Amino acid sequence: DTAVSQTPKYLVTQMGNDKSIKCEQNLGHDTMYWYKQDSKKFLKIMFSYNNKELIINETVPNRFSPKSPDKAHLNLHINSLELGDSAVYFCASSHRLAGPETQYFGPGTRLLVL
Amino acid sequence: DQQVKQNSPSLSVQEGRISILNCDYTNSMFDYFLWYKKYPAEGPTFLISISSIKDKNEDGRFTVFLNKSAKHLSLHIVPSQPGDSAVYFCAAKNSGYALNFGKGTSLLVTP
Repeated sequence: DTAVSQTPKYLVTQMGNDKSIKCEQNLGHDTMYWYKQDSKKFLKIMFSYNNKELIINETVPNRFSPKSPDKAHLNLHINSLELGDSAVYFCASSHRLAGPETQYFGPGTRLLVL
Repeated sequence: DQQVKQNSPSLSVQEGRISILNCDYTNSMFDYFLWYKKYPAEGPTFLISISSIKDKNEDGRFTVFLNKSAKHLSLHIVPSQPGDSAVYFCAAKNSGYALNFGKGTSLLVTP
């Protein structure tokens, strides 16, 4: 069983479209994250949710809206997609945000905006 | 502002030898450091970590060293194996905050 899963794995779409990426974890963790790995390979935190509440919201355009229907799911909706949104998006989870908690990552969603 | 830096984008080592991957950080508030390993088309997987109160942590072939005064940590892999070929990310965090990642070092272990 995959601990952290993401769908879809690949997403190719046109500029201006709206798309969603889904993430699910079966580890019983309370905290979930979205990271973006851009073309320069930097992995940067975008959002963090703890028990369905938004905890971290880095400088991300408000076209990106995370939604956590329950502790096991954290979805990412992106409105009006732009070329610069092309990247690999990783979901992750951990027991909690504070302390030395190891984060477990999903396989990534490769988004290409044409 | 990049707080975790991995200045070597790539490293090539012969099988059986030691691999040393380096990482520098700028934020003295970081209290926990981790190494992640990443294969192509997969997510990063946790490898080993160290708390800021320690200077060494060992797990099998993997050892992480922390030099707080120099704000430097390193990952030693001994002996290196071809299956260790991957991208290694250094990460650091301050309790209550998310991980800060370095840019990664691509390790190639040749037979």
